[in-house]
Amino acid sequence: DAKTTQPPSMDCAEGRAANLPCNHSTISGNEYVYWYRQIHSQGPQYIIHGLKNNETNEMASLIITEDRKSSTLILPHATLRDTAVYYCIVRVEGAQKLVFGQGTRLTINP
Amino acid sequence: GAGVSQTPSNKVTEKGKYVELRCDPISGHTALYWYRQSLGQGPEFLIYFQGTGAADDSGLPNDRFFAVRPEGSVSTLKIQRTERGDSAVYLCASSPNHVAAGGADTQYFGPGTRLTVL
Repeated sequence: DAKTTQPPSMDCAEGRAANLPCNHSTISGNEYVYWYRQIHSQGPQYIIHGLKNNETNEMASLIITEDRKSSTLILPHATLRDTAVYYCIVRVEGAQKLVFGQGTRLTINP
Repeated sequence: GAGVSQTPSNKVTEKGKYVELRCDPISGHTALYWYRQSLGQGPEFLIYFQGTGAADDSGLPNDRFFAVRPEGSVSTLKIQRTERGDSAVYLCASSPNHVAAGGADTQYFGPGTRLTVL
């Protein structure tokens, strides 16, 4: 699986959009971009995934650049409960295990 | 519905002892995974079951670690002769294991078991 690079930490004000970047410059054509988050003392939680097109669900939006070498997870109206470590993972279609990096520690400030 | 549950939530043991950690996956999920998470690090894959069989155990660090899933549901991770370096949070996840439109399927994680080896 391709390697991902994320900033170690970010801050965002409550109610604002949180934009979390991820670089995956060696991504292959059959690799998906997944985002999970881990709130303190809990297991990781699936957020969203995509291949080429931008994706949106009730939790977040995923914007993937045209060359697929980077992506951005957007939490449109961040709340204090969104404080967590966010992991960007690149995963081959059909692959089973997830390969986690160190993620981005996002802190939402009141 | 019920999510993935893990017991115990915390386990303290002494170096050299044997421990068992249990995982109850979401009902109907055929795939089950174990991960280990050290302080400040992301989870690290240990082993994956498809049904009763271990389809990928490449992440098990050594032969002191073993996992079973005899009936294709509950799984037990077993650690023999525990060492202080085994201290970590052990996470279990399950998935339906069908390739849904748009990629491999989603894994649902339990809250983990915090293992402390003194």
